[in-house]
Amino acid sequence: AQSVTQPDIHITVSEGASLELRCNYSYGATPYLFWYVQSPGQGLQLLLKYFSGDTLVQGIKGFEAEFKRSQSSFNLRKPSVHWSDAAEYFCAVGANNAGNMLTFGGGTRLMVKP
Amino acid sequence: DAGVTQSPTHLIKTRGQQVTLRCSPKSGHDTVSWYQQALGQGPQFIFQYYEEEERQRGNFPDRFSGHQFPNYSSELNVNALLLGDSALYLCASSFRTGTTNEKLFFGSGTQLSVL
Repeated sequence: AQSVTQPDIHITVSEGASLELRCNYSYGATPYLFWYVQSPGQGLQLLLKYFSGDTLVQGIKGFEAEFKRSQSSFNLRKPSVHWSDAAEYFCAVGANNAGNMLTFGGGTRLMVKP
Repeated sequence: DAGVTQSPTHLIKTRGQQVTLRCSPKSGHDTVSWYQQALGQGPQFIFQYYEEEERQRGNFPDRFSGHQFPNYSSELNVNALLLGDSALYLCASSFRTGTTNEKLFFGSGTQLSVL
């Protein structure tokens, strides 16, 4: 069975500082990997996804993520955080032909200090 | 263009009651999935509907059932409510069911509280 671990429950960074959110997955084959963001009272918005090819994936809002098969990781990064980035971030894994059945991690809550 | 819409936004029920949540997919989408998000946790997949049939199901008991209508909208029904069913229920839509690379659009959810 597939699983996702987000080791950091809470992270606080200063505005303008760089950000890295960790994600480790467990899956037997090549995974489909996603990062979603959820603001309070909102649904989930897709930031980026990886299926194959270049292991460095660019997303919206200046985010990027790097797939490292040897480490079973898919960490999310942003070079300079804005106050509006404060939200909950979820990493998820899917499988080929599994439709919309994604397995999500527990999430990381990002707080941004002025 | 309206995105995924869910109703109601909030709901309070008593243990043992039954509840129905509704979802209208984004225009042009034909596949609807439901997720349960307990407080402080990530969403958990309940099931997915395509062509009015349940195509995939997560690890949820039979108390959770659903339906998809010809206009692609969907309902989630939960019978014999338990306190543990209190959660945010998210609906997500996409075009086609089998390709995981289809972008999922999520609604804002229905917050269900069971007392």
